[in-house]
Parts: sequence; structure tokens; C-alpha cells
Amino acid sequence: DAGVTQSPTHLIKTRGQQVTLRCSPKSGHDTVSWYQQALGQGPQFIFQYYEEEERQRGNFPDRFSGHQFPNYSSELNVNALLLGDSALYLCASSLLDRAYEQYFGPGTRLTVT
Amino acid sequence: DQQVKQNSPSLSVQEGRISILNCDYTNSMFDYFLWYKKYPAEGPTFLISISSIKDKNEDGRFTVFLNKSAKHLSLHIVPSQPGDSAVYFCAAKSVRQLTFGSGTQLTVLP
Repeated sequence: DAGVTQSPTHLIKTRGQQVTLRCSPKSGHDTVSWYQQALGQGPQFIFQYYEEEERQRGNFPDRFSGHQFPNYSSELNVNALLLGDSALYLCASSLLDRAYEQYFGPGTRLTVT
Repeated sequence: DQQVKQNSPSLSVQEGRISILNCDYTNSMFDYFLWYKKYPAEGPTFLISISSIKDKNEDGRFTVFLNKSAKHLSLHIVPSQPGDSAVYFCAAKSVRQLTFGSGTQLTVLP
């Protein structure tokens, strides 16, 4: 039973560029949440997708957008990258009404230069 | 404004002794509290949770205590083992969103 997978593992981008990160949820899960973890901090909630719609959003600008596909996989897009966007981006999957059981992927390390 | 706070960035404990990790929160709307463990280069792994209507939940060596009046929860690990060395995050749920603390690095010394 595959857990949550994310790609790529590492990414280096230049300020102003755009990036797309990908996530496949744990088998049987229908909800995907994205988190940003800066160095020395806990994960911060970006947004959550269910039934291909954004259901909840944290305190992140519109430069951060996402998508969920019919197979429940998800993408996180960040436009106009800033140096401060450098972080570990974590994807977590769950069932919609069991958000207290979120399973995390290994993350994508994004470095913006 | 941090709604979930872990005030101790690090904790060192001798193998076999008790580890106590603490967490404070401010939002009364949180209905579930969780502890996650994170090793380097891995995502957080769920450890144990507690509903806001309970004050204690136990799972093997791990026990979580919730004091709602003080808005405080703690994780007890007994006995501590070297493999427990990791960063521990406290998280709280409201609606379907998790809010995390900044983590505590636990080091269990052999």
C-alpha cells in the first residue's frame, strides 16, 4: 500500500520563476492538504483540496494555487517566486472527515536563488 | 500570532527515563490535538492524538495529556529510547485544518 508520494525531491529555481510540485495521496484518501515548512518552523497550512475544489485556505497569497485531479492527485503552483518561498513543501492526504489522520509525504525542498 | 506554541526548541533525556514535551495553544475552537514525529529528510509521522473532550490518551510508551482550562497539552514517552530522537510537533485541528507548533528536538542519550 503506497503512502503519500511527492515529486520532485529537490528543486532549485530563480526569483520570479514559476514552479509546480506534485503529490499522490495515500491509497483510499480523497483529500489533499499542502503545507509550507520554513527552516526551524512547523508546517504552515497553505490549502486543502477535495473533489477537485479548494475547500480551505491558509494565510498565503494568490501566487500560491493548486489543483486536484479526478484520481485525487494534486499539484501546488507558485508564481513569481520570492527568496522567502524557499522551504520544504509537504503534502498530506486524508479522508475529508478524518482530518485528524493526515499522512504526510517526504516533501519537496524548494530553493529560490 | 502563534496559536500553537512549543516553547522548548530542544530537550535531552537519558535512555530509559521519561521524556515530557509540552505545547500551549490559544484557540478554544480546536477540537483535536495531535503529536507528530519527524526524522530528517522525511515527512512528519503521526504519533498519537486526543480529542478535546478527553484529558488523557495512551498508546504503548506514549501518553498525551490535555488540560483544557490551561490550554496545555503534553506528550510523555516512557521509557525513552535512542530511536525516539527526532523533532516532535504538536498540532491542533479546527474544522479540517491543522495548525502546528514550531517543534521540539528530542535527543535521547544512550
